[in-house]
Formats: sequence, C-alpha cells, structure tokens
Amino acid sequence: KAGVTQTPRYLIKTRGQQVTLSCSPISGHRSVSWYQQTPGQGLQFLFEYFSETQRNKGNFPGRFSGRQFSNSRSEMNVSTLELGDSALYLCASSLVPSGTDTQYFGPGTRLTVL
Amino acid sequence: AQKITQTQPGMFVQEKEAVTLDCTYDTSDQSYGLFWYKQPSSGEMIFLIYQGSYDEQNATEGRYSLNFQKARKSANLVISASQLGDSAMYFCAMREGQTGANNLFFGTGTRLTVIP
Repeated sequence: KAGVTQTPRYLIKTRGQQVTLSCSPISGHRSVSWYQQTPGQGLQFLFEYFSETQRNKGNFPGRFSGRQFSNSRSEMNVSTLELGDSALYLCASSLVPSGTDTQYFGPGTRLTVL
Repeated sequence: AQKITQTQPGMFVQEKEAVTLDCTYDTSDQSYGLFWYKQPSSGEMIFLIYQGSYDEQNATEGRYSLNFQKARKSANLVISASQLGDSAMYFCAMREGQTGANNLFFGTGTRLTVIP
C-alpha cells in the first residue's frame, strides 16, 4: 500500500506570494492533518480534516487555510507569504480521527520564502 | 506548560548497544495516546511505537520498546542493539483523547547518533 504522498517536495517563493501544497493520504484513510516544522518553533499543528470538514485548527493566522476533497486528498494554502513561513510542512493521515489511531506522515514539502 | 518534554537534545550510542530516549508528558486527560516517531535527515516522520494510557503492558515493536510509567508521566523509548541506520531525530508525541481532537503535541526531539 502506498504511503502518504506530498507534492511538491520543494518550493521556493517570494514574500507576498501565495502557495498551495497537496497531500494524498494512504488509501482508505479519511483523516488528514497538517503540521509545520521550523527550527525555532518545532512541530506545530496547523489543522485537521475529516470527511471534507475541518475538525480542528491550530494557532495560526488566517493566511493559512486548507480543504479536503471527497477522495480525502487535502490541500493547504498560505497566502501573502512571509519569511517566517519558511518551513517543512508535513501531512499525516489516519483511518479516522480516533484516539488510538496512528497518524502516518508523508515526506513533507520544504517551503523556502525569499 | 509544555505538554511533551524531551530533555536530551543529543545522545550518542555505540553500535549494538541499547539506548534510552527520555520523554515526559503533561495532561489532565485520563485517556491519551503516546507515540514515538523517527525523522531521518530526509524529513519524513516514521512511526515507531504507540502506547495507550489504558494499556497495562509496555508496548514493543521489534527493537523498540516503550517504558511507560504512568504515575511519573514518562514514556521513554528504548532502542536495543543500535544500528547505524538508527541515527536520526526522535520525537515523542501525545494525543489527548477526551477533547476528541486528533492533533499531536510534539516534543523538541532528541538527535541520536550511533557510533560505529
């Protein structure tokens, strides 16, 4: 079974631009979560989607948004990019949003904002 | 307050030796899950092991075992017979069960270096 895939793997943008990242979960998984990883702040939760609905959102500004499609694929969008948005963005999928269900991560998208 | 604390920024271990990576957690929930992930330099987070708060036995997965001490709120990862490929960042994470939220809280990680 294929793992979580994320595209693109690397991205370079300039301040003020917007970016869309994509995540395809493991087949059969319906819950998708996004995390931001930076050297300064570590791993921080962005948001979680299940059945095309956002269930939970971390403490990030409204410039960060996401959505989930009927096939469980998810996208996240960052508008008006800032230098501090440079990070590794990780997507994780699980069968359902359950307390015992393991989240499996993709390889990440490394975003650099110049 | 930090929900997950990993106090060892870096650890060294000789190949074939065992190593323990420390993790303490803070939650008032009775139901929660504890996870360990490995992150090689490539960036992908690889799931290693899971321990539920109601599990009475310590979790084991191959060379990985979790030393779960509920009263002390610790969930240390033990890697036996270290291999060179074990060199990576290791993250402890927790999901609290009572809120229904699915998000993981991560520690700051421990960088493990296996010495030949």
